[in-house]
Amino acid sequence: DGGITQSPKYLFRKEGQNVTLSCEQNLNHDAMYWYRQDPGQGLRLIYYSQIVNDFQKGDIAEGYSVSREKKESFPLTVTSAQKNPTAFYLCASSVRSDRYEQYFGPGTRLTVT
Amino acid sequence: GEDVEQSLFLSVREGDSSVINCTYTDSSSTYLYWYKQEPGAGLQLLTYIFSNMDMKQDQRLTVLLNKKDKHLSLRIADTQTGDSAIYFCAGYYNQGGKLIFGQGTELSVKP
Repeated sequence: DGGITQSPKYLFRKEGQNVTLSCEQNLNHDAMYWYRQDPGQGLRLIYYSQIVNDFQKGDIAEGYSVSREKKESFPLTVTSAQKNPTAFYLCASSVRSDRYEQYFGPGTRLTVT
Repeated sequence: GEDVEQSLFLSVREGDSSVINCTYTDSSSTYLYWYKQEPGAGLQLLTYIFSNMDMKQDQRLTVLLNKKDKHLSLRIADTQTGDSAIYFCAGYYNQGGKLIFGQGTELSVKP
């Protein structure tokens, strides 16, 4: 089955620790995206990547970092510099960045205490 | 900048039609999308419409686009309890090459 997987589903961390969220897709999509969702709000774009070894900042990149070493994988690191990291994180992919339908993974809920 | 607005809540009775509305500010949007999100899950693409279309029908779903008023709507016929979810509209803008999402409309279907 083709799709996007995110792991883990729930993640708990202490304040001051970096944490990496996994996103893998086997859809052979070129473009991948990370969004943050807070209660009662829409999705806000953190980072996106149109091709391997390249990525761009979205609207709220501060305190986050990404890498795109493989086409299938786009991990997101939430650093200790992110002031309010507790949120629901969603990964998405699309055939190309100019093919607009984005397909989403199941999400990771991160809680930092 | 680009903005997409939705009303936050809608409550309907099972079997009725639901209409979820969305307005957008940037008329250069080329594609407009509707996504569904069930509790604790990712977003599921429901349907989309190109900006040169006025209407698109897909089984129980009808999308209407009024370009003059920059208004998009999603009609769900014969709404079922399984349709209870948050519905997001999103627009693709060539400048910036990204999707802009509305805040989401929470649809509650009562038996």
